[in-house]
Amino acid sequence: RKEVEQDPGPFNVPEGATVAFNCTYSNSASQSFFWYRQDCRKEPKLLMSVYSSGNEDGRFTAQLNRASQYISLLIRDSKLSDSATYLCVVNSPPGYALNFGKGTSLLVTP
Amino acid sequence: NAGVMQNPRHLVRRRGQEARLRCSPMKGHSHVYWYRQLPEEGLKFMVYLQKENIIDESGMPKERFSAEFPKEGPSILRIQQVVRGDSAAYFCASSPGRSAVSYNSPLHFGNGTRLTVT
Repeated sequence: RKEVEQDPGPFNVPEGATVAFNCTYSNSASQSFFWYRQDCRKEPKLLMSVYSSGNEDGRFTAQLNRASQYISLLIRDSKLSDSATYLCVVNSPPGYALNFGKGTSLLVTP
Repeated sequence: NAGVMQNPRHLVRRRGQEARLRCSPMKGHSHVYWYRQLPEEGLKFMVYLQKENIIDESGMPKERFSAEFPKEGPSILRIQQVVRGDSAAYFCASSPGRSAVSYNSPLHFGNGTRLTVT
């Protein structure tokens, strides 16, 4: 079983739509969780950390469910510029490596 | 502040040649991570180094790959006798200290080196 699993998509949504991505992780001892964004052929960039209590950053909301070992990302009022691949990232003991999902592709259309 | 700097951006090598990828961490950072992204795949951890020390190389292929981070100068990822399967994007990230990657020190990546083996 892969450490981090995501639906690869693609998700095609119109501008203004709300879209949600889920991700599951296999190691129950995982300690920290992140969403990164990767544009085509570019480096991954940190979008937001995911805390147990859930957190929000503008149009983006991240949730963590430790019991079910899944993480979600909700994007409200999608913009064309949100088109990218969204990477679910988990840090597990002993903590040196980040484990990346393969990513979920989002295309926001006019 | 300059971010993580990688060079070259693009590198083309023939099968059997050597590839050297360089990474200069952010100012004040003494720990470097290397990741590889094969086409259509997620990023995979390769190695974690601090100056003059390899901390974790559990993700490095057993042969042909090596990494160093000398006291002076950039970190180097070296691939000897490259094969077509080594074609990938290689990303470097840095952190200020030996904290397990945590909310206080999430990784920030350089813009990568794209290696093409012909």
